[in-house]
Amino acid sequence: DGGITQSPKYLFRKEGQNVTLSCEQNLNHDAMYWYRQDPGQGLRLIYYSQIVNDFQKGDIAEGYSVSREKKESFPLTVTSAQKNPTAFYLCASSAGTGDEKLFFGSGTQLSVL
Amino acid sequence: SQQGEEDPQALSIQEGENATMNCSYKTSINNLQWYRQNSGRGLVHLILIRSNEREKHSGRLRVTLDTSKKSSSLLITASRAADTASYFCATDAASSYKLIFGSGTRLLVRP
Repeated sequence: DGGITQSPKYLFRKEGQNVTLSCEQNLNHDAMYWYRQDPGQGLRLIYYSQIVNDFQKGDIAEGYSVSREKKESFPLTVTSAQKNPTAFYLCASSAGTGDEKLFFGSGTQLSVL
Repeated sequence: SQQGEEDPQALSIQEGENATMNCSYKTSINNLQWYRQNSGRGLVHLILIRSNEREKHSGRLRVTLDTSKKSSSLLITASRAADTASYFCATDAASSYKLIFGSGTRLLVRP
C-alpha cells in the first residue's frame, strides 16, 4: 500500500528531553511537511522540504529540527527548547510541483510527562 | 499566520440536510483546497479549485470560489452521519508553495 507512515502514534516527553517523530512515505513524493495541530485549532507549518538535503522553516520552527537525508524520510525532532510541545503532529507529502494536494499520515500525539 | 478562516466554527445538522461551510482568505492565491479530518486522524484531501475556476463538483461536494471577495464555500448535499468531521480550507499564497490552513469547521450530522 502506498502512503505515509508516522510513528509512534503516542509519545511522551520528559522535561529537558529531545524526542524524534518518524515520517516515512513510499509515494515517491519530492516534498514533505510537518504541521502542528493544537486542540480545536487548524494546522501550523513547522518545517517543509521540497527536495532531498534541503528544508525551510515554516511559521513555528523554533524548538524543532528536521533532516532530509533520504527522499522517503523526514524525521522531526522536538528539542528541549520547545517549551510547549504538547500537540498533535502531522506529516504530509506532495509531488512537489507546487499545485498538488497533500497526503497526510495518521499523526503522532505528543504529551509532556 | 492564518491565511484562511472558516465560518461557522461548528455546525450541527440533521441527516439528509445540506451543510455549507465558508472560508475567507487574505492574499492572492494559486488554488484553494478543502480537507476533511476525522477526530484524532490525519487530513484527507477532498477537492482543489484553481484561482481561475469559479465552481467545482465532486460527488456530493460543491465548491465555489470568489477571488474578488477572497472567499470560498463548501457545500455537502444530502449529508450522512459519516460526514461528521472537521473540514479545513487551505490556500497557497501566489508567491509560495506553502499551504496555509484555516482553523476548521466542526460538522456534526445527527442520525
